[in-house]
Amino acid sequence: LAKTTQPISMDSYEGQEVNITCSHNNIATNDYITWYQQFPSQGPRFIIQGYKTKVTNEVASLFIPADRKSSTLSLPRVSLSDTAVYYCLVGAAINSGSARQLTFGSGTQLTVLP
Amino acid sequence: NAGVTQTPKFQVLKTGQSMTLQCAQDMNHEYMSWYRQDPGMGLRLIHYSVGAGITDQGEVPNGYNVSRSTTEDFPLRLLSAAPSQTSVYFCASSYSSGGYDNEQFFGPGTRLTVL
Repeated sequence: LAKTTQPISMDSYEGQEVNITCSHNNIATNDYITWYQQFPSQGPRFIIQGYKTKVTNEVASLFIPADRKSSTLSLPRVSLSDTAVYYCLVGAAINSGSARQLTFGSGTQLTVLP
Repeated sequence: NAGVTQTPKFQVLKTGQSMTLQCAQDMNHEYMSWYRQDPGMGLRLIHYSVGAGITDQGEVPNGYNVSRSTTEDFPLRLLSAAPSQTSVYFCASSYSSGGYDNEQFFGPGTRLTVL
């Protein structure tokens, strides 16, 4: 299993761009990198997924360098409602034939301050 | 679509009791899974299923059983509840198509306390 390492917590102010970096030194060739967001008392919610280079959607960007040993989730202009725990996951395709065990880890608690 | 639904929302058990946590999805997803989340921790995979009739163990399967008789339902059974099983349980589902680690849709969770 590819293990991920993230900062335990981060603080930011409203309107700032937030970058959360995840380290995954043992990522396998067929692993994708996925980020989830979790609010208190709710299940995690998918944010973004990528394999290499850069992926952007309506809420975030994901930057993955060529060696894929790390990735950075970028949240533009955060608001108070972005306060949540953010998880970086590394895992293989579901029907790859191997056991599918995504490890959520402890995540990064992002606190957005007014 | 209701998405992923879980029942009950809250449950208190005594040590040694058994119960079933229910999970259903109406998105025709092939892949379903159960996680537990302890306070201040990330989610840990208990069991998962890649389709009806197929289940497999995750990271922390001991004390839990699952079955998948239909695409829609994936119940989790606690055989003999222990205080160490006090946790919040999340069910998730996703498409099972090649080439991607597909987005998982999570239910609202079941908060279980074992006394």
